Amino acid sequence: QVQLVQSGSELKKPGASVKVSCKASGYTFTNYGINWVRQAPGQGLEWMGWIDTSTGNPTYDQGFTGRFDFSLDTSVNTAYLQITNLKAEDTATYYCARDGTPAGTSFDYWGQGTLVTVSS
Amino acid sequence: SYELTQPPSMSVSPGQTARITCSGDALPKQYAYWYQQKPGQAPVLVIYKDSERPSGIPERFSGSSSGTIVTLTISGVQAEDEADYYCQSGDSSGTWVFGGGTKLTVL
Repeated sequence: QVQLVQSGSELKKPGASVKVSCKASGYTFTNYGINWVRQAPGQGLEWMGWIDTSTGNPTYDQGFTGRFDFSLDTSVNTAYLQITNLKAEDTATYYCARDGTPAGTSFDYWGQGTLVTVSS
Repeated sequence: SYELTQPPSMSVSPGQTARITCSGDALPKQYAYWYQQKPGQAPVLVIYKDSERPSGIPERFSGSSSGTIVTLTISGVQAEDEADYYCQSGDSSGTWVFGGGTKLTVL
């Protein structure tokens, strides 16, 4: 069965960096893109962008350029989100979600989420 | 990118019908998708392409579209349906947008 398993919670200081992983299983990894979604505490869902797993080409939504980086390691079916120069407002749960667009199903499978807390 | 507008909250008694709306200028041209999110859990896709239901989603969940408004209907609401619901759509530039979410309370 399709599964996306994310890395565990992180506590970081302002100015540090964090790298969140999203390991996929149960399907051909390079056939579906991976989206990243942010959810600040008590807030709604915010699409950050996506990465084409067949080419490695990332696309970032406005507001997520500069400090945010999407990458892949296709040898282990894993996508990564790295955030540099962390700020307090980056405190949020970050989700990866499979892009089922080829099948018309949009974000059809989600990881369990990774809570990143930025605090001094 | 454009916006999708949802009512922040609504409440319904068990067994009644809940209708959650989502409005956006691009909805006549773009499909809408709906997600259910319970506290502490990841979102779950409940409707795709305006009105299609993924396998495993109960039949009481349905979707419809009319012009700039799409609607998620939950017929015979159960206590377990209490959750936040988000609509989503894309725009012509390939970006995705979520609505602000609707908190459904089952009285």
